[in-house]
Amino acid sequence: TQLLEQSPQFLSIQEGENLTVYCNSSSVFSSLQWYRQEPGEGPVLLVTVVTGGEVKKLKRLTFQFGDARKDSSLHITAAQPGDTGLYLCAPNSGNTPLVFGKGTRLSVIA
Amino acid sequence: GAVVSQHPSRVICKSGTSVKIECRSLDFQATTMFWYRQFPKQSLMLMATSNEGSKATYEQGVEKDKFLINHASLTLSTLTVTSAHPEDSSFYICSARTGGGYGYTFGSGTRLTVV
Repeated sequence: TQLLEQSPQFLSIQEGENLTVYCNSSSVFSSLQWYRQEPGEGPVLLVTVVTGGEVKKLKRLTFQFGDARKDSSLHITAAQPGDTGLYLCAPNSGNTPLVFGKGTRLSVIA
Repeated sequence: GAVVSQHPSRVICKSGTSVKIECRSLDFQATTMFWYRQFPKQSLMLMATSNEGSKATYEQGVEKDKFLINHASLTLSTLTVTSAHPEDSSFYICSARTGGGYGYTFGSGTRLTVV
């Protein structure tokens, strides 16, 4: 099992602030996915990163895959209350079930 | 896009009874589905992998006789929590691979409360 460390575990910020959350491992991943889960719902895929050093943007969210493909970060600019949720990362080989990190629980206060 | 329909969304049952949760893949065939459990304020924990037409593969520590998984068709997998106890109260979520590449789609979850 590939051990994933997500940090911080909890984060509470004011609307308009920027934040970065991290997903780290000692293992090399062929690809990694980020999901957001809102209360009472299933996770929803945000992005898949595949290439070391890759940067992907989704509106105010910027995802980066580390050069060595062992870590990833998610940066949110000007956070909004709608960004509130549990952010999960998971390596994805395409043939095995997703095994998630513990997640970062983000709360954006208006 | 691919949709996984999960029912019921909420269920309350008495201790000792059994509860069945269904997950259906809409507009696509899911040869493999995954079942997760999520306790409050925690992440998703993989319980088992369900393969159409064969026995499910359970993760370490998950009782296969308590959590019965049936994947009898390419569009339906069910999880039955047998002889439920209050400690089984949790949020159960299914997921299916949606074809080649990296696609996984999740159901909307079932909140089980055992009283």
